[in-house]
Amino acid sequence: QVQLQESGPGLVKPSGTLSLTCAVSPGSISNGHWWTWIRQSPGKGLEWIGEIFHSGSTNYNPSLKSRVTILVDKSENQFSLKMTSMTAADTAVYYCARNWNWGFDYWGQGTLVIVSS
Amino acid sequence: QSALTQPPSASGSPGQSVTISCTGTSSDVGAYNYVSWYQQHPGKAPKLIIYKVNERPSGVPDRFSGSKSGNTASLTVSGLQAEDEADYYCSSFVGGNNVDYVFGTGTKVTVL
Repeated sequence: QVQLQESGPGLVKPSGTLSLTCAVSPGSISNGHWWTWIRQSPGKGLEWIGEIFHSGSTNYNPSLKSRVTILVDKSENQFSLKMTSMTAADTAVYYCARNWNWGFDYWGQGTLVIVSS
Repeated sequence: QSALTQPPSASGSPGQSVTISCTGTSSDVGAYNYVSWYQQHPGKAPKLIIYKVNERPSGVPDRFSGSKSGNTASLTVSGLQAEDEADYYCSSFVGGNNVDYVFGTGTKVTVL
């Protein structure tokens, strides 16, 4: 049973940078899956942010690509999300998840990020 | 990439069936058999219940089934139970020049 755990600050200032980490356990992050970030704005639906493979290959949502960087740290068995130029519209619950058969089978519990001064 | 279109709400009595539609385009739902469905209870993370249009992960009851015709995918919940009351989201892989995934607008299922 794979567990994913997001961590990071819950409050980001406007124009600031969001940094989140997702720890994966048990098992190796290098086991052949793509690892994903997804967010859900209050009262809105889900939005795919991007994904990373253990090799470092990434895919990003075209609408967010200019502001997003996803990295993998194989030594810590975790991957991370950086999103710059944050605005109130980026306030959301951020989830990390595992991509399996073009679906997302394991999810973290989610972390609420509020963009406010 | 625009969100896939789902009805805002659906309902049924215990034991009945409810079907939720998910309409996309020829670039997403219509192009690939990579539609998945998620169940989300309040305050919880989404749970995968259908992948690759009509396959169920281990542990998901066979009351949940999926299908697709053209640009529209569907989720049917048969034999509705109280615990099926939740939000349901579809998702589709979007290929082409960039790998992308798009989610549906979500449907609130109420068990009457």
